[in-house]
Amino acid sequence: DQQVKQNSPSLSVQEGRISILNCDYTNSMFDYFLWYKKYPAEGPTFLISISSIKDKNEDGRFTVFLNKSAKHLSLHIVPSQPGDSAVYFCAASYTGANSKLTFGKGITLSVRP
Amino acid sequence: GAGVSQSPSNKVTEKGKDVELRCDPISGHTALYWYRQSLGQGLEFLIYFQGNSAPDKSGLPSDRFSAERTGGSVSTLTIQRTQQEDSAVYLCASSPGATNEKLFFGSGTQLSVL
Repeated sequence: DQQVKQNSPSLSVQEGRISILNCDYTNSMFDYFLWYKKYPAEGPTFLISISSIKDKNEDGRFTVFLNKSAKHLSLHIVPSQPGDSAVYFCAASYTGANSKLTFGKGITLSVRP
Repeated sequence: GAGVSQSPSNKVTEKGKDVELRCDPISGHTALYWYRQSLGQGLEFLIYFQGNSAPDKSGLPSDRFSAERTGGSVSTLTIQRTQQEDSAVYLCASSPGATNEKLFFGSGTQLSVL
C-alpha cells in the first residue's frame, strides 16, 4: 500500500513559468517531508524539506507547502528553468523512524526552453 | 571521499549467481540505508543500519537478501541466487544518525540479471 503518492507521472512547463508538483500521503504519523531531485544515472539529491509544525518553507526558487488536514504537500518552482528538468521524489518520515524515508514514485518534470 | 560511494556502478549477472554490492558512506555518518528502485517505481526501503547493527530489516524482500556493515563504515548488500526480478538500481544513503534528517545518496549500482 503506497503511503506516499505522486499521482501525476509527468509534468511539462514553459521556461519562466511556475511548476507545481503534488504529493499526497496516508500515514498520519509522518511529521517530516522532503523533496529530492534525481537526474539520470545519479543518486537523488536533497532539495527542500518541511516539518509538520510549519505549513510553508521557502528556499530561493523552491517553496514547499504542507496541508496537514488534507495530507497533501506541493513543491512550487518559480521561475522554472531547463536545468530543473529531472525526476522529483516526495518523501516522508516520522519521529522515531530514524530518518527512514518513505518515497513516492516520482514525477518527471520537463521544462521547455 | 566527500560523498557516498557505491561500487560497482553497473553489474550484469546471470540468474542464479550471487552478487555483492558495496557502499562507502560519508565519513562520520552513523546511519546507513539501502534502497532499490525498480523500473517505473519509487525508492523502496530495504534495510537500515545504525553503527554496525541493523535495527530495521523490514524491507528485505526475501531471505536471499542480506547486508552487513563493519567498523561502522562500509556496508555490503548480498543477493544470493539472483532472479530477474532483482534487476533494479540499488541505492545507498547515509546520514549523521539523528531523527528527521535528510539522507545523502550515492549514485547507485545498476543490477541487471539475465
